[in-house]
Amino acid sequence: DAGVIQSPRHEVTEMGQEVTLRCKPISGHNSLFWYRQTMMRGLELLIYFNNNVPIDDSGMPEDRFSAKMPNASFSTLKIQPSEPRDSAVYFCASSFDPKYEQYFGPGTRLTVT
Amino acid sequence: AQSVSQHNHHVILSEAASLELGCNYSYGGTVNLFWYVQYPGQHLQLLLKYFSGDPLVKGIKGFEAEFIKSKFSFNLRKPSVQWSDTAEYFCAVNARSNYQLIWGAGTKLIIKP
Repeated sequence: DAGVIQSPRHEVTEMGQEVTLRCKPISGHNSLFWYRQTMMRGLELLIYFNNNVPIDDSGMPEDRFSAKMPNASFSTLKIQPSEPRDSAVYFCASSFDPKYEQYFGPGTRLTVT
Repeated sequence: AQSVSQHNHHVILSEAASLELGCNYSYGGTVNLFWYVQYPGQHLQLLLKYFSGDPLVKGIKGFEAEFIKSKFSFNLRKPSVQWSDTAEYFCAVNARSNYQLIWGAGTKLIIKP
């Protein structure tokens, strides 16, 4: 099993630009989570999908952030426009059942200058 | 609100020392419990989990954890640490009644060679 796949691994962009992060969950997993990790705030849940449907997006910081899951094998997290305070590592995780263990991808390190 | 408390933010040990990292949670119902490890520059990996049964759980790399329901605790232990155990360790809990995984703030473990 390839595990959770994320791309790109690193992204450096200028303030105001659109950023799109991509995630492919483990095949057969019906739950997908987007997290953000920073030194200041630790690990924060941004949004949770179950069977491709967004269930909880209360962690999405503001309207600049949006996430989609068009099918069971692909999800995107978009930031438009990006700001320096969005700089963080963004992790995607998937699980067979939302109450069971989550498997994390390698993360995307985003730097907004 | 549910919360997870990890008592030590930083722990420094010498190789071969014994390790115990504390984790307490606040939720009165039935829970699933997890410990994850994040090696420097890498993603979170599952160390061990507890759903039910024997409260002493063994995980990978010689780690174990004990669930003490009366104390709402799930402490992580290892009898003899190695330099390669240098990492950040996260405790996480979810109530069986919902999906949300509540994360502790993490404990940074440094092993001196």
